[in-house]
Amino acid sequence: GDSVTQMEGPVTLSEEAFLTINCTYTATGYPSLFWYVQYPGEGLQLLLKATKADDKGSNKGFEATYRKETTSFHLEKGSVQVSDSAVYFCALSDRNRDDKIIFGKGTRLHILP
Amino acid sequence: KAGVTQTPRYLIKTRGQQVTLSCSPISGHRSVSWYQQTPGQGLQFLFEYFSETQRNKGNFPGRFSGRQFSNSRSEMNVSTLELGDSALYLCASSLALGSGANVLTFGAGSRLTVL
Repeated sequence: GDSVTQMEGPVTLSEEAFLTINCTYTATGYPSLFWYVQYPGEGLQLLLKATKADDKGSNKGFEATYRKETTSFHLEKGSVQVSDSAVYFCALSDRNRDDKIIFGKGTRLHILP
Repeated sequence: KAGVTQTPRYLIKTRGQQVTLSCSPISGHRSVSWYQQTPGQGLQFLFEYFSETQRNKGNFPGRFSGRQFSNSRSEMNVSTLELGDSALYLCASSLALGSGANVLTFGAGSRLTVL
């Protein structure tokens, strides 16, 4: 079945460091891919998405490129801030499975000032 | 516009009791999904409702049930509570099924503690 695998955390970085959170997926068809972020005490919110191969999603300085050949959707940011401390979830939506959303386990990110 | 509203935000129950959680989706959204979030298991899908019909169901025991009303509001119920049911229960709404890029909007969650 469909699945999402993302790197385990916690990830701890200093402010202004470069961030990469790896995400790979398994799907039968051509899924849409998402990154959601959960700040402390809140629900998840959409950070960015990509709906087809080679699409790049971007928002708030974060970017991720849909790589079909490597089945990956890694999240990157060039210079992180303390306010980026949160839990990040990679997810897919498979049209072949009624758009059911599959989430990864989440990666907790700590940014030190 | 108003976001997804979940009530109550926090509640404490004892083993054997039952609980009902409520979710009001974004106006115009017809699909509501429920997730259980725990530190050990992460986000686990409970069920999804669309137009008052359950469309998808996760791998949870029958003690977990839900429903959706004609105004798209949804409730979930957990009967005979167990300690392991302590979790953050998240509700999410989306415009429709089959959109091809099903973006979910989440509520802040209901944190259930079972003693």
